[in-house]
Amino acid sequence: DTGVSQDPRHKITKRGQNVTFRCDPISEHNRLYWYRQTLGQGPEFLTYFQNEAQLEKSRLLSDRFSAERPKGSFSTLEIQRTEQGDSAMYLCASSRGVGATEEQYFGPGTRLTVT
Amino acid sequence: RKEVEQDPGPFNVPEGATVAFNCTYSNSASQSFFWYRQDCRKEPKLLMSVYSSGNEDGRFTAQLNRASQYISLLIRDSKLSDSATYLCVVEMDSSYKLIFGSGTRLLVRP
Repeated sequence: DTGVSQDPRHKITKRGQNVTFRCDPISEHNRLYWYRQTLGQGPEFLTYFQNEAQLEKSRLLSDRFSAERPKGSFSTLEIQRTEQGDSAMYLCASSRGVGATEEQYFGPGTRLTVT
Repeated sequence: RKEVEQDPGPFNVPEGATVAFNCTYSNSASQSFFWYRQDCRKEPKLLMSVYSSGNEDGRFTAQLNRASQYISLLIRDSKLSDSATYLCVVEMDSSYKLIFGSGTRLLVRP
């Protein structure tokens, strides 16, 4: 399978714990995006990378959230001191990064439940 | 006010029906427009891009009205497999980040 992959697919954690999610984009895709989706809503943009550089962060991304893409390939999203409001589906997407408007390919998501 | 607004539905239609979804966006600087499809508990997938001249892909027709900041999607001859949530999506200022509407749910019944 050469699509975007995410790990884990499901995560249940207790409030206050830290969690880390991984995203592997499509090979040779330069841009990588993180979105969050809650029930009944569309995905909301969190942040994106062009290669290893994090170029934009949403106001939704509080200080408890940090994302990295150290070698311009896979990315991690860490949430520290999780809160119940962090419960959501975290989606990763990637695109080739060579044009102004490109299709973003989404991974299956990581569903986070904070108890 | 949300940046992208859609009627949440659900639209419940019989097979073979024609159904239309509308969407409005608030930022006139928006550059690119799309319809994504999302099946239950799955990731969104691009259905089609939307161009100012309008575009068609089989049973699907998308149109854009920049003056009214309005996007539409028409589905002809609905199939059971068209049942899904349709997300209206706008890209701002070539910033590469996508702004999604909340989605319109379509149910096609036999």
